[in-house]
Amino acid sequence: DAGVTQSPTHLIKTRGQQVTLRCSPKSGHDTVSWYQQALGQGPQFIFQYYEEEERQRGNFPDRFSGHQFPNYSSELNVNALLLGDSALYLCASSLRTGRTEKLFFGSGTQLSVL
Amino acid sequence: GESVGLHLPTLSVQEGDNSIINCAYSNSASDYFIWYKQESGKGPQFIIDIRSNMDKRQGQRVTVLLNKTVKHLSLQIAATQPGDSAVYFCAEKGNYGQNFVFGPGTRLSVLP
Repeated sequence: DAGVTQSPTHLIKTRGQQVTLRCSPKSGHDTVSWYQQALGQGPQFIFQYYEEEERQRGNFPDRFSGHQFPNYSSELNVNALLLGDSALYLCASSLRTGRTEKLFFGSGTQLSVL
Repeated sequence: GESVGLHLPTLSVQEGDNSIINCAYSNSASDYFIWYKQESGKGPQFIIDIRSNMDKRQGQRVTVLLNKTVKHLSLQIAATQPGDSAVYFCAEKGNYGQNFVFGPGTRLSVLP
């Protein structure tokens, strides 16, 4: 049973560029959430996708956008990259039933903006 | 606003001793909590969860305690092993549909 997979594992970009990160959820999961984790800090919620729509959004600018495909996989896009966007980007999947939807995380994509 | 924090940012324990990692939360409406373990270069790994209608839950070598009166959560690890060295996060979730809020984390170092 494959867990949450993310690609690429590492990425280096320059300021102003655009980046796309990809995530495949755990088998059987229908909901994907994206988190940003700065060095030495806890993950910060970016947004969540369910049924191909953005359902919730954290305090992130609209430079951050996403998409969910019919097979439940998801992409995170960041436009006009800033130095402060350098972080570990984590994808988490869950099954949207009940109130105890556990998040299962991938290993993340380490983004460095130069 | 919502916030989840930890009392101790770092914790060092001797191998074989018990570890206790603490977490304070401010949102009294939070009704579901998870402890995650994150090793270097990896994503957070689910350890144990607890709902607000419980005050204690046990797993293999781990116990989570929830005190809703003082809005406090703790993770107890019995017989701490070198493989337990990692950063531990508590995460809280409010009513159905809300996202998880993570604390800043506690680094656990297991000394030989």
